[in-house]
Amino acid sequence: QITLKESGPTLVKPTQTLTLTCTLSGFSLTTPTVGVGWIRQPPGKALEWLALIYWDDDERYSPSLRSRLTITKDTSKNQVVLRVTNMDPVDTATYYCAKLDLDTFDYWGQGTLVTVSS
Amino acid sequence: QSVLTQPPSASGTPGQRVTISCSGSSSTIGRNYVYWYQQLPGTAPKLLISKNDERPSGVPDRFSGSKSGTSASLAITGLRSEDEADYYCAVWADSLYVVFGGGTKLTVL
Repeated sequence: QITLKESGPTLVKPTQTLTLTCTLSGFSLTTPTVGVGWIRQPPGKALEWLALIYWDDDERYSPSLRSRLTITKDTSKNQVVLRVTNMDPVDTATYYCAKLDLDTFDYWGQGTLVTVSS
Repeated sequence: QSVLTQPPSASGTPGQRVTISCSGSSSTIGRNYVYWYQQLPGTAPKLLISKNDERPSGVPDRFSGSKSGTSASLAITGLRSEDEADYYCAVWADSLYVVFGGGTKLTVL
């Protein structure tokens, strides 16, 4: 059974760096064509893709947020980590991680709500 | 404002056929596959249609996708109350990054 679970702080202060972890189960990031991506959704708003990383370490980032994002993987722990620097209240959102089969987000985590407030 | 344009809302009565559009450009929909995701209230999105018109295992054949030029559509036939959800289209832009549409809230009257 394939599952993904996001974890991290629920509250961060403005200017802080957010670090989120996605723990994978039922699949491996060493398998060709497999990747993991991060997508966020502000309350009541649309989905916004952030970043992804493939089995071969190919990284992709949203052009509008590229300077603030870093995605890494630890295959020994079956985890993918997203770092977002200089957090702002507009970054308040539910953050989802999702499994990629080459170009398709075929499995999603349940999401984690992150609030940015002082 | 997304580069993929969806109507903010759509509605239909049980049993009806409803379509949701997704409009893009030659660099988005025009040269890439379109994906559709369904987000039921309070839940994570779920893959509904892959590569323009492919239904993943478990998705009812009431759902279908199509693409023509720089636009795509999601059709739902035999509308049911449990189809009430937000629907998002998505594409790979320039084969480098992912773009989601603004979403369409489907109401079953």
